[in-house]
Amino acid sequence: QKEVEQDPGPLSVPEGAIVSLNCTYSNSAFQYFMWYRQYSRKGPELLMYTYSSGNKEDGRFTAQVDKSSKYISLFIRDSQPSDSATYLCAMSGGTSYGKLTFGQGTILTVHP
Amino acid sequence: DVKVTQSSRYLVKRTGEKVFLECVQDMDHENMFWYRQDPGLGLRLIYFSYDVKMKEKGDIPEGYSVSREKKERFSLILESASTNQTSMYLCASSPSGGAAETQYFGPGTRLLVL
Repeated sequence: QKEVEQDPGPLSVPEGAIVSLNCTYSNSAFQYFMWYRQYSRKGPELLMYTYSSGNKEDGRFTAQVDKSSKYISLFIRDSQPSDSATYLCAMSGGTSYGKLTFGQGTILTVHP
Repeated sequence: DVKVTQSSRYLVKRTGEKVFLECVQDMDHENMFWYRQDPGLGLRLIYFSYDVKMKEKGDIPEGYSVSREKKERFSLILESASTNQTSMYLCASSPSGGAAETQYFGPGTRLLVL
């Protein structure tokens, strides 16, 4: 079993839809949770960064962490074609200082 | 803005060749990382470094080595390239301390080994 599981999709939604992206994990030591966005043929860029449980909002993006369920989510409101990308969850904690464990990534397409 | 640059965007090499991939960051970050990214497997950590001349094996170090002679530069070396090393290679850096988990990535190098 992988430490971090992420549904690879692909996910296709119409413009304006609410998108929900999810990851589950097994390592209870994880405390730092990140979402990266990767456009085609580019490197990942940091989108959201959350420490421990709770919600964090940044514009149209909301990150949620539920440590009791070992489950994290990224919500995108009013999705746009420019949101079409691969979304990677990543997490870290415990003895793995600075090292990230990534999910496989979810391919999202928002069509006009 | 943090900038991480990689020496080549695309590279084609022959089996058995020695391959050097260079990464440079301009934000004085202590930590640097090399990953490979393959469809369905996500990002896998090859090697990382927390300081100059320091290196640690990641999850898949076999067939690779690294060099960090200067703080801003971290090189990945494929000693004898093989076809199963065809992949996208990504370099990242992060600061030390509380923000160590915030890694910044370069644009990647697509390597094809024939």
